[in-house]
Amino acid sequence: NAGVTQTPKFRVLKTGQSMTLLCAQDMNHEYMYWYRQDPGMGLRLIHYSVGEGTTAKGEVPDGYNVSRLKKQNFLLGLESAAPSQTSVYFCASRTSGRSEQYFGPGTRLTVT
Amino acid sequence: TQLLEQSPQFLSIQEGENLTVYCNSSSVFSSLQWYRQEPGEGPVLLVTVVTGGEVKKLKRLTFQFGDARKDSSLHITAAQPGDTGLYLCAGGAQSGTSYGKLTFGQGTILTVHP
Repeated sequence: NAGVTQTPKFRVLKTGQSMTLLCAQDMNHEYMYWYRQDPGMGLRLIHYSVGEGTTAKGEVPDGYNVSRLKKQNFLLGLESAAPSQTSVYFCASRTSGRSEQYFGPGTRLTVT
Repeated sequence: TQLLEQSPQFLSIQEGENLTVYCNSSSVFSSLQWYRQEPGEGPVLLVTVVTGGEVKKLKRLTFQFGDARKDSSLHITAAQPGDTGLYLCAGGAQSGTSYGKLTFGQGTILTVHP
């Protein structure tokens, strides 16, 4: 039981490049979330999903897109990376009826 | 938009000292969670409190949810170097389409010196 896993763990992009971050959970959770973490700002919600095939915008969605084609996977895409997207990205999941979220180990992204 | 103000942002203390971290908001939350995060890892849930006035203890850690469910505190007794880390509070949305979404405080970086 791996919980929540994220790939890759580290990535360096040049401005304008694109990439996809993958999140996978093996707990059969309905809800999945993507956050970014910046110093002094806690965790901010980018996008979330309440179930397979559904996605919704969070607090800071601009510049990101997501897809949830399978229940266990939640993908975060950056179409044209900007230096302002340099951050640590965390994926989380939770089961229906409970508010506790389980987090992955994070992806550290640097955009130069 | 719900906001959670967490204080202090930094805390540097000696082993054996006591400390308290606060989370305050003008909004009411359905639950309040505390997470601990170590460098290079994701946050790990410590506790969830759901009832106004609720107090939960986890060894040397005591968590309290305010009577009005707008604030919470984390108290650590006799801190140890192993308590070092980033502590995050997170409020759960009340209901409707926002149910289950968490609002995080800015975090408290705790350093306990031997």
